[in-house]
Amino acid sequence: KNQVEQSPQSLIILEGKNCTLQCNYTVSPFSNLRWYKQDTGRGPVSLTIMTFSENTKSNGRYTATLDADTKQSSLHITASQLSDSASYICVVSGAAGNKLTFGGGTRVLVKP
Amino acid sequence: DSGVTQTPKHLITATGQRVTLRCSPRSGDLSVYWYQQSLDQGLQFLIQYYNGEERAKGNILERFSAQQFPDLHSELNLSSLELGDSALYFCASSVGPVGGNEKLFFGSGTQLSVL
Repeated sequence: KNQVEQSPQSLIILEGKNCTLQCNYTVSPFSNLRWYKQDTGRGPVSLTIMTFSENTKSNGRYTATLDADTKQSSLHITASQLSDSASYICVVSGAAGNKLTFGGGTRVLVKP
Repeated sequence: DSGVTQTPKHLITATGQRVTLRCSPRSGDLSVYWYQQSLDQGLQFLIQYYNGEERAKGNILERFSAQQFPDLHSELNLSSLELGDSALYFCASSVGPVGGNEKLFFGSGTQLSVL
């Protein structure tokens, strides 16, 4: 069964600090992995999309890594800001194309 | 603003009733996806339409149905509503079928409360 597991479920960090979120998946075959940011009560917004051959991709202070051999990805947030408080969702697309498998998300709270 | 429009933003109704949620995709996008997000749960894929045709089906209940019209807007119909159907319903769109490197663009969602 295709699954995407994220850890931790939630975390609290101080403004200005860095943090790393983890994503493990069992989706096979694999097409791409996406990270989304979802503010409370809003729709998810795409941060990065990585294919099998990409190891790292950045979007401002967000850097995603992918290890397709171990089926692991991480999202690193640098110099966190209060506006980074949100849920971060890891999503994997199988090579069959149409269905995305969503992780449960990591809730990040940035405190001043 | 993602360019995906969902209406209404909020909907309150009673058990046993039927509601229709509407979604207008981004200009030029042919695919529309519907997702359900219950409290403290991840997004659950319901159904996808591509250029008017059903493309993929997820965990959609038989009480739910959807369609995509010639102008590419989509409607999700929920009938015989139960308390457990209370959730955020998101619509997303993309240019083509997922599988490539396309981004999905999500609307702001419809919050459905069944009392």
